[in-house]
Amino acid sequence: RKEVEQDPGPFNVPEGATVAFNCTYSNSASQSFFWYRQDCRKEPKLLMSVYSSGNEDGRFTAQLNRASQYISLLIRDSKLSDSATYLCVVNDRAGGTSYGKLTFGQGTILTVHP
Amino acid sequence: DTGVSQDPRHKITKRGQNVTFRCDPISEHNRLYWYRQTLGQGPEFLTYFQNEAQLEKSRLLSDRFSAERPKGSFSTLEIQRTEQGDSAMYLCASSLEGGFYNSPLHFGNGTRLTVT
Repeated sequence: RKEVEQDPGPFNVPEGATVAFNCTYSNSASQSFFWYRQDCRKEPKLLMSVYSSGNEDGRFTAQLNRASQYISLLIRDSKLSDSATYLCVVNDRAGGTSYGKLTFGQGTILTVHP
Repeated sequence: DTGVSQDPRHKITKRGQNVTFRCDPISEHNRLYWYRQTLGQGPEFLTYFQNEAQLEKSRLLSDRFSAERPKGSFSTLEIQRTEQGDSAMYLCASSLEGGFYNSPLHFGNGTRLTVT
């Protein structure tokens, strides 16, 4: 099983739609979770951290479900500019004792069309 | 600009040559990461440092790859005897060590390596 798994999509939605992505992780001891956005041929950029109680930033809502080991990202009122790849990130170990390793999912492609 | 900087932006090399990339992190960040990304995939963890100590190294990293961060500031990633499969975007990121929780990563623009 991969450490972090995402549905690669693509998700094609019209402007104004609500879309949700899930991401599952394998290590139940993971404590840090993030969503990143990556535009074509650019570096990933932080979209939002994911907190245990869930958090919202404008049109974006992130949730954490520890029991089922997944995080989710909800985008409301999609804009054309939301078209990008969305990457979930989870901390893990690489065989050492620290949890500094941050593992990325494959990414989910979102295309918002007029 | 006080973000993460990487050099060079692009590198084309012939198979069998050695290449070295440099990363300058955000100055107050004590953690520095290297990732590799190929088309259609998420960034793949290679290694990370906390200050000058290399704390984790991916099992996927063969002994042709080596990374250093000698003074806890900039880092270099060297690939020896490059192979065509090494062609990828090499991303560097930095963060602050956050105790129990990780701080978010800040990425540089990346170095795109093409091995011919």
